[in-house]
Amino acid sequence: GNSVTQMEGPVTLSEEAFLTINCTYTATGYPSLFWYVQYPGEGLQLLLKATKADDKGSNKGFEATYRKETTSFHLEKGSVQVSDSAVYFCALPNTGNQFYFGTGTSLTVIP
Amino acid sequence: GAVVSQHPSRVICKSGTSVKIECRSLDFQATTMFWYRQFPKQSLMLMATSNEGSKATYEQGVEKDKFLINHASLTLSTLTVTSAHPEDSSFYICSASPSDRGRKMNTEAFFGQGTRLTVV
Repeated sequence: GNSVTQMEGPVTLSEEAFLTINCTYTATGYPSLFWYVQYPGEGLQLLLKATKADDKGSNKGFEATYRKETTSFHLEKGSVQVSDSAVYFCALPNTGNQFYFGTGTSLTVIP
Repeated sequence: GAVVSQHPSRVICKSGTSVKIECRSLDFQATTMFWYRQFPKQSLMLMATSNEGSKATYEQGVEKDKFLINHASLTLSTLTVTSAHPEDSSFYICSASPSDRGRKMNTEAFFGQGTRLTVV
């Protein structure tokens, strides 16, 4: 079945540092891949997505490229800000739009 | 974008009482909605699939008599935690995707704001 494996945290970075959060997946076929973000005390928000191999999703300075050859969808940002502190989830849908989530990676950015 | 509203955002209840959580799709119809549970510092785990007009489908290990799900319309699903106990304290989140009857239009899911349940 479908599954995602996500780099565990927590991750603590200084402001303006480079961020990478690794995510690999196992899937039947070629599903869309997603990154969701959960800010403290809130629900999940879609951060970015990619719908096919070699697609790059991007939003708010974050990027992730759908790599079929390495079955990866790593999240990157060149310069993090304090406001990026949140928990990040890699996810992929199963049939019927239920989602499989990674374990989540907590990011804390310090000034 | 599509909006899913979940209510209440926080609830504190006494042990033994029941709590109802609502999940509404505000600007689209959804034949299927999903309920997830998130324990502190852990990922979201799918509890059940709510199907409009029919019985919900529960994941293994989820007690269907304890977590009652009703999906009476194309825009509303409810989760009722019956006879709540402190171990039911958790963060519950619903999700939905716009869908035509019999055909999925979009694989993106939209999530409610979540409900923090505390049973004392």
